Amino acid sequence: DSGVTQTPKHLITATGQRVTLRCSPRSGDLSVYWYQQSLDQGLQFLIQYYNGEERAKGNILERFSAQQFPDLHSELNLSSLELGDSALYFCASSGTGEYQPQHFGDGTRLSIL
Amino acid sequence: DQQVKQNSPSLSVQEGRISILNCDYTNSMFDYFLWYKKYPAEGPTFLISISSIKDKNEDGRFTVFLNKSAKHLSLHIVPSQPGDSAVYFCAASSINFGNEKLTFGTGTRLTIIP
Repeated sequence: DSGVTQTPKHLITATGQRVTLRCSPRSGDLSVYWYQQSLDQGLQFLIQYYNGEERAKGNILERFSAQQFPDLHSELNLSSLELGDSALYFCASSGTGEYQPQHFGDGTRLSIL
Repeated sequence: DQQVKQNSPSLSVQEGRISILNCDYTNSMFDYFLWYKKYPAEGPTFLISISSIKDKNEDGRFTVFLNKSAKHLSLHIVPSQPGDSAVYFCAASSINFGNEKLTFGTGTRLTIIP
């Protein structure tokens, strides 16, 4: 158990809809990261938050947004969903200090029908 | 542009022997390297890491070697056990350049033969 909790585990929805994925980081971790793993691709970085502030952005689509709340949990919002958004979405968290590894949750599997 | 490459999609090793997984990278700004293990339906589990100021790091049965001149790292598992069967990902980041995002390889599926 990594200590990172993601909900829901599975999500099935239709094209054009909007969903919210939730992540609770390990106790004490201030950084939260979101990654996407599609069938034909490896894990791709989407966005990072540190203590409530956006710190880094990857190739995140404009239809996607995220935020980190004062209690440090984070949400990833995906809107106007397309078939190609079907993927595993992972959240990770890390502690402060140099060379801290990221610890991953078990992911949310999003299926767009 | 694949900045982190794992050229072996799969590897089979006899139980008790050494497993060696390899990873190459192209970005010379990477200064922190990690190995993760992944079982189906679970997230990646952190195994071991190494910073660019070292060339070796050990943790129990796991040792990571870093060859900066060759831009190559390897993970040694000794002795290999059936529970080690999983997909292994190497990942890299540029901590000292303020970039903590992980860039992952495509993974190597390790099968330990009893």
